[in-house]
Amino acid sequence: DTEVTQTPKHLVMGMTNKKSLKCEQHMGHRAMYWYKQKAKKPPELMFVYSYEKLSINESVPSRFSPECPNSSLLNLHLHALQPEDSALYLCASGGLGYEQYFGPGTRLTVT
Amino acid sequence: KNEVEQSPQNLTAQEGEFITINCSYSVGISALHWLQQHPGGGIVSLFMLSSGKKKHGRLIATINIQEKHSSLHITASHPRDSAVYICAVIKGAQKLVFGQGTRLTINP
Repeated sequence: DTEVTQTPKHLVMGMTNKKSLKCEQHMGHRAMYWYKQKAKKPPELMFVYSYEKLSINESVPSRFSPECPNSSLLNLHLHALQPEDSALYLCASGGLGYEQYFGPGTRLTVT
Repeated sequence: KNEVEQSPQNLTAQEGEFITINCSYSVGISALHWLQQHPGGGIVSLFMLSSGKKKHGRLIATINIQEKHSSLHITASHPRDSAVYICAVIKGAQKLVFGQGTRLTINP
């Protein structure tokens, strides 16, 4: 099973809402990633979890809060977002060999 | 200057043509990814290379570590190959550095 799943596929939220994005993998990978991708741009790394601990935070605003409850799950909690945060949010997982497997993404619209 | 440069940025071709997309990088790397992204979709990893050449179906990827250059070739291109192709290098243990992508359109 080389699949990374993400829910929901689409999310529309107001600036005062609190929502969460979910990511799941069952490949036994110990690294999991959140990326943000704006239209016609490459993905930008947000967070990396390694062995369920946050190892990289690319100076992401605190309105984005990651959580790794166990080695298969990765969440991104969203609160008080701005319209410019509208983007495709991609999750990826990776093993020891540097390869990363990407999920289908959640398309987020902030109104 | 970006650490990863792709060319061309846009490519339009007719069905059946042989396609080449190039990637040059300026940093030391552990390996290099070729990724595919269809419009509005997620990202699929096509290849990960650290040396030599890999082939999967109609897709071939090569890398020359000394010249810091990689190419992705598509033989007998088909409209379903229309997508953005992204080169990404693995810099350090966990960071991917992405190129800007090549938008490929294959016309029937």
